[in-house]
Amino acid sequence: GAVVSQHPSRVICKSGTSVKIECRSLDFQATTMFWYRQFPKQSLMLMATSNEGSKATYEQGVEKDKFLINHASLTLSTLTVTSAHPEDSSFYICSARDLRVPTYEQYFGPGTRLTVT
Amino acid sequence: GEDVEQSLFLSVREGDSSVINCTYTDSSSTYLYWYKQEPGAGLQLLTYIFSNMDMKQDQRLTVLLNKKDKHLSLRIADTQTGDSAIYFCAEKNNDMRFGAGTRLTVKP
Repeated sequence: GAVVSQHPSRVICKSGTSVKIECRSLDFQATTMFWYRQFPKQSLMLMATSNEGSKATYEQGVEKDKFLINHASLTLSTLTVTSAHPEDSSFYICSARDLRVPTYEQYFGPGTRLTVT
Repeated sequence: GEDVEQSLFLSVREGDSSVINCTYTDSSSTYLYWYKQEPGAGLQLLTYIFSNMDMKQDQRLTVLLNKKDKHLSLRIADTQTGDSAIYFCAEKNNDMRFGAGTRLTVKP
């Protein structure tokens, strides 16, 4: 199946700094990428949906100025957590689809664990 | 928004069958999914079912869908210790929505 990678897999940063997480579709073109956040022992919460070349659509309650999403190409989307705080510590998972292709599947990356100290 | 609900925990003995249940509220769901998440890892698609199907079997996995009751189940036959993980039910209409996950523990 199609592969989605994320980098880094783990990152530790200090409060107040910014962290960028990359999501790449390796063998397909992703017209749409989704960013999820998962708290310990909880489900995935959709943060935002981005379409290539367009601004991301954020879910209610997600601060767009804090979680900057860029989807500049059909294979790369980035999530930047700006001015990170300890409460931003979480597991971030991206997912990708090619909406031009009728398919049931949405492909998930392996996740990035962010720890803010 | 629309909800997807699952029980949080299930414990079985190795070799027994596991049944994980899920209910959803969006009657317009087109696909329903089961994902497996091992500790510290992302989501692995186990199986899916189209909303006009009642059942799908794939090796040790059997998915049953009762569309009238909006109830989805995943049966794992001959459960092994390697099946210990969190299992997420998800439904998709436009967006994909996930349940909270069922933590399956398999005891030897």
